[in-house]
Amino acid sequence: GAGVSQSPSNKVTEKGKDVELRCDPISGHTALYWYRQSLGQGLEFLIYFQGNSAPDKSGLPSDRFSAERTGGSVSTLTIQRTQQEDSAVYLCASSSPRGAWNNEQFFGPGTRLTVL
Amino acid sequence: AQSVTQLGSHVSVSEGALVLLRCNYSSSVPPYLFWYVQYPNQGLQLLLKYTSAATLVKGINGFEAEFKKSETSFHLTKPSAHMSDAAEYFCAVTPAQGAQKLVFGQGTRLTINP
Repeated sequence: GAGVSQSPSNKVTEKGKDVELRCDPISGHTALYWYRQSLGQGLEFLIYFQGNSAPDKSGLPSDRFSAERTGGSVSTLTIQRTQQEDSAVYLCASSSPRGAWNNEQFFGPGTRLTVL
Repeated sequence: AQSVTQLGSHVSVSEGALVLLRCNYSSSVPPYLFWYVQYPNQGLQLLLKYTSAATLVKGINGFEAEFKKSETSFHLTKPSAHMSDAAEYFCAVTPAQGAQKLVFGQGTRLTINP
């Protein structure tokens, strides 16, 4: 079956513009995660969705960042008024309910965001 | 709070030599531990995981890791390096129960010399 997919693979934007990054998790996976990978900060957790529970937003760096997960499947990460420090690779992962305690997360290829 | 420290941001070994990538963790609750590998311009791939069963864990591509609670370590080893092992390796921790978000180390870039 298909793995986690993300789009676009690359996004170049101008400072101050809004961007939307999309993640399609593995079918049937109820948990979905967003992480950010940047040179200065390494791999950082951003937000976590589990089923119909309220998302864990504790990793979002500012109120310019938000995410939605519609219908328990596709997720969109939105960054408003982008800044140059937002430049990074944004990774999405999903995990299966049967594997919940093992937390084996399957990662997508990422979206490389460049803010000019 | 949990944290992971990977000793050595860059490790270089000769082809056929032992690979040892070090990971130490800090956790106030029993952890699950993971090693992920990232090849250039690709996402993360799970190599192996410790989930409180056997302390010696075998993964893909000939890698293994040993959980040592007394040393709070989860070092990754491979007896004989192959050129295709060149990649970045990340150690990660999550609590055995509760929030499932991964906390990653800073990563170790492995270079294999011919």
